[in-house]
Amino acid sequence: DAKTTQPNSMESNEEEPVHLPCNHSTISGTDYIHWYRQLPSQGPEYVIHGLTSNVNNRMASLAIAEDRKSSTLILHRATLRDAAVYYCILRDPLSEGGGADGLTFGKGTHLIIQP
Amino acid sequence: KAGVTQTPRYLIKTRGQQVTLSCSPISGHRSVSWYQQTPGQGLQFLFEYFSETQRNKGNFPGRFSGRQFSNSRSEMNVSTLELGDSALYLCASSLDRVYNEQFFGPGTRLTVL
Repeated sequence: DAKTTQPNSMESNEEEPVHLPCNHSTISGTDYIHWYRQLPSQGPEYVIHGLTSNVNNRMASLAIAEDRKSSTLILHRATLRDAAVYYCILRDPLSEGGGADGLTFGKGTHLIIQP
Repeated sequence: KAGVTQTPRYLIKTRGQQVTLSCSPISGHRSVSWYQQTPGQGLQFLFEYFSETQRNKGNFPGRFSGRQFSNSRSEMNVSTLELGDSALYLCASSLDRVYNEQFFGPGTRLTVL
């Protein structure tokens, strides 16, 4: 899987939007961009994924740059419950193993939410 | 729908022993993956099972093994435990091997003394 780069930590205030950046300059044309988060003392949780177009779901929005070399996870109104480590991951479903060779987690971004 | 369950949640073993961890995927999910999480190495992929066959394996020694049963439940085994095997072991399930989101269990915290 191609490599991603994320800031080690970010801080935001409760009820404000949060923009979590991810750089993936070596992304291939068939790599999907995935975001997972891990709350304290829990297993990772799927947040959102996309290929080229911006994506929205009940948890967040994913904005993908036109050249796909970067993306931003947007939490529209952060709550204390959003404090977690956020992981940006690239996966290619067409790769050997059908993309089922496991998620490659980096260090992620530790998001701190201030009340 | 019940989530991914893992048993036991906590386990303490001594060096040289072996351990078996269990994972029950979400009903209908056929793919089960295992991960190891440590403070130093972060989350690392161990292996993935689908239809009772190991399809992919991460970079771990042969002491780490697993299996999947016909009902998709999976077990992983670690033999000859080392202190460095102390970690949170996470199981994740997904619908099938074509890319789908993975749903993680709460993990089993293994401590090796």
